[in-house]
Amino acid sequence: RKEVEQDPGPFNVPEGATVAFNCTYSNSASQSFFWYRQDCRKEPKLLMSVYSSGNEDGRFTAQLNRASQYISLLIRDSKLSDSATYLCVVNLGANDMRFGAGTRLTVKP
Amino acid sequence: NAGVTQTPKFRILKIGQSMTLQCTQDMNHNYMYWYRQDPGMGLKLIYYSVGAGITDKGEVPNGYNVSRSTTEDFPLRLELAAPSQTSVYFCASSFPGTNQPQHFGDGTRLSIL
Repeated sequence: RKEVEQDPGPFNVPEGATVAFNCTYSNSASQSFFWYRQDCRKEPKLLMSVYSSGNEDGRFTAQLNRASQYISLLIRDSKLSDSATYLCVVNLGANDMRFGAGTRLTVKP
Repeated sequence: NAGVTQTPKFRILKIGQSMTLQCTQDMNHNYMYWYRQDPGMGLKLIYYSVGAGITDKGEVPNGYNVSRSTTEDFPLRLELAAPSQTSVYFCASSFPGTNQPQHFGDGTRLSIL
């Protein structure tokens, strides 16, 4: 089993749609969690950290379920500019970050 | 603020050649990292450093070496390039702490033919 698993997609959605991505991780000792965004042929950039109580940043909502070892990202009112690959990232501690392979999103007019 | 700067952006090597990928950061981050990203795969950690003079192996260190003589610089060396090392290489840095995100350079695309 991979340490961090994501549905690779692609997810093709119309503008204005709501889309959700899921991520599971295998190491129950994982300490912190992030969603990164990576545009084609670019570096990953931090989208948001994921907190135990769930957190929201504008149109983006992240949830964490430690019991099920599951993280989610919800994007509301999708914009064309949201088209990218979304990486689920898990910190095992001591700055040992494990990256999922990413979920690709295309938002169409 | 430049952030994390990587050079070169692109390079083609012949099998058996050596080269150094440069990485420098101006954010006074203690921690620095080297990753490789193969097509359709997640980033894999090659080496990391928690401060000047301290380096440690990540998931995929074979075929690579690093040094950390200053807080700012963390070069990655390939001694005998092999086709399996064709990849995109990202350098990153962060402050210490499990909740600290990593900041990435814009990558080096390396092809070994």
